Amino acid sequence: AQSVTQLDSHVSVSEGTPVLLRCNYSSSYSPSLFWYVQHPNKGLQLLLKYTSAATLVKGINGFEAEFKKSETSFHLTKPSAHMSDAAEYFCVRGDISYKLIFGSGTRLLVRP
Amino acid sequence: DTAVSQTPKYLVTQMGNDKSIKCEQNLGHDTMYWYKQDSKKFLKIMFSYNNKELIINETVPNRFSPKSPDKAHLNLHINSLELGDSAVYFCASSQEGLLNTQYFGPGTRLLVL
Repeated sequence: AQSVTQLDSHVSVSEGTPVLLRCNYSSSYSPSLFWYVQHPNKGLQLLLKYTSAATLVKGINGFEAEFKKSETSFHLTKPSAHMSDAAEYFCVRGDISYKLIFGSGTRLLVRP
Repeated sequence: DTAVSQTPKYLVTQMGNDKSIKCEQNLGHDTMYWYKQDSKKFLKIMFSYNNKELIINETVPNRFSPKSPDKAHLNLHINSLELGDSAVYFCASSQEGLLNTQYFGPGTRLLVL
């Protein structure tokens, strides 16, 4: 089945250190991939999206993700975490039938 | 201006009641969606409408009935509410085409007692 796997349910980093949130996908065709962020008691906001134009995708708030077909991965990174980055992050795959398939989410905790 | 809005934001109700959640988007999009987020934060699509036509209908109980009076609105009516319906329901919209970003509303937190 086409799916998205987020390898870590929780990631904890210190403020100012790098962030890595891992995501692997399965797809029989070149997928469209997204990262969304959900702050506590808020809706979802798009961080970035991959649409086959470039493998390294830059998003908002200093986040970026690299599409690696050989590894079927789309990991999200940020060089330096900020306290305001604490949130739930969802890796998402676009389906040919308009659907978005969500990963299970990774909660990012940022320690002062 | 709010791009995708939902009302109400919170909804607490008794089992067996019927309730509706409304969604409106002012982005000029032609496709709208309803998602359900459970207590473990897992998000799953329920329905999608494109130009007022139902295009996605996942295996959702028929107690749930979406209605799209026009392209800018997609309402969700739930009959005979059950405890398991407690969740956060998100509305979203996008322009036609898979690669186009979906914009989400703030969510409606439904609690069935």
